[in-house]
Amino acid sequence: NAGVTQTPKFQVLKTGQSMTLQCAQDMNHNSMYWYRQDPGMGLRLIYYSASEGTTDKGEVPNGYNVSRLNKREFSLRLESAAPSQTSVYFCASSQDRGRQPQHFGDGTRLSIL
Amino acid sequence: GQSLEQPSEVTAVEGAIVQINCTYQTSGFYGLSWYQQHDGGAPTFLSYNALDGLEETGRFSSFLSRSDSYGYLLLQELQMKDSASYFCAVSRGGNTPLVFGKGTRLSVIA
Repeated sequence: NAGVTQTPKFQVLKTGQSMTLQCAQDMNHNSMYWYRQDPGMGLRLIYYSASEGTTDKGEVPNGYNVSRLNKREFSLRLESAAPSQTSVYFCASSQDRGRQPQHFGDGTRLSIL
Repeated sequence: GQSLEQPSEVTAVEGAIVQINCTYQTSGFYGLSWYQQHDGGAPTFLSYNALDGLEETGRFSSFLSRSDSYGYLLLQELQMKDSASYFCAVSRGGNTPLVFGKGTRLSVIA
């Protein structure tokens, strides 16, 4: 019973490198989300996808792109990584955007030097 | 804009009761959720209140007052394993995602 699976778990990049974070869920959920978490800042929404084929910006989308590949998979891409993007990234999914609980992956710890 | 206010830190003694408050100011309101996150771990869902009143799940209870734009999470018979961060989150309905507070770090001491 995997739930939400994120890969990789850890990554170190150099400034300017690109990288794609992968996320897959096996709960047949419609909505998927990408958050970043920095100390004292809580969870900040980067992008979300209400359903396959749709994506919307969240609170902090600059410097990121996303792809909802199919119902299961939602990837986050950093085209040119910057030190300010050092963070812990969480993917989550829910049955819909409103009342249903979100299920989170274990996170990707990303450091950009 | 959307804002949720919760204390940044709370300390309580093992075996005691602690209350973590959350006040919100959002455009639209459907319900209030609570999530727990241990250090190094992922947030996990604890409870959801759509109606005024108290919801109880074991040692944890959550309360909502829609008229006061206020809710709280009550943890009873505190255990060391309850040391974690707790986030409140508002569902605004329609096609909008959750809005999270910045979290309250609970430390349970012996």
